[in-house]
Amino acid sequence: DTAVSQTPKYLVTQMGNDKSIKCEQNLGHDTMYWYKQDSKKFLKIMFSYNNKELIINETVPNRFSPKSPDKAHLNLHINSLELGDSAVYFCASSRLEFTGELFFGEGSRLTVL
Amino acid sequence: GENVEQHPSTLSVQEGDSAVIKCTYSDSASNYFPWYKQELGKGPQLIIDIRSNVGEKKDQRIAVTLNKTAKHFSLHITETQPEDSAVYFCAASISYGNNRLAFGKGNQVVVIP
Repeated sequence: DTAVSQTPKYLVTQMGNDKSIKCEQNLGHDTMYWYKQDSKKFLKIMFSYNNKELIINETVPNRFSPKSPDKAHLNLHINSLELGDSAVYFCASSRLEFTGELFFGEGSRLTVL
Repeated sequence: GENVEQHPSTLSVQEGDSAVIKCTYSDSASNYFPWYKQELGKGPQLIIDIRSNVGEKKDQRIAVTLNKTAKHFSLHITETQPEDSAVYFCAASISYGNNRLAFGKGNQVVVIP
């Protein structure tokens, strides 16, 4: 059983399109996150949710909108995709907010053409 | 804000030798320091962590040491094996505002058989 699963694993799309990445965790964790990893492997937090409530919104353009329908799911919707959005997006979860282990998904590689 | 620096950026070692990666941090109030390993095509995975009330922690072939005065911590891998080849990220907790982690930029470790 995959602890943190995200779909799709690969996404290729044109500039200007809207796309979504879904994430689900079956660990019973209260906190979920989205991270962006650029081509230089730098990991940058985008959002964190605790029990469906937005905790961190780290200067991300408002074209990115996270949605947490329940504490086991955190989806990421991106409007009007730009070339610079190409990256690997990782979903993660933790039992407590940043005071313990982060469990990452396998990543969703987004390529904007 | 918290600044976490990792060096070297790339490290090549012969199989069986030891590898050491160092990280420095700037926030003297940081109290949690995890290390994550990211294999190709996968999400980062916690391999070891240390809290500020401990100077050293060991788990089989890996160990982490923390020097709070100098604000640096190191990952030590002994008897390296080809499966240790990966990108390693250090992180430090940020004490102000919402609790979060600041990640270093990652080290590519290559173990040469």
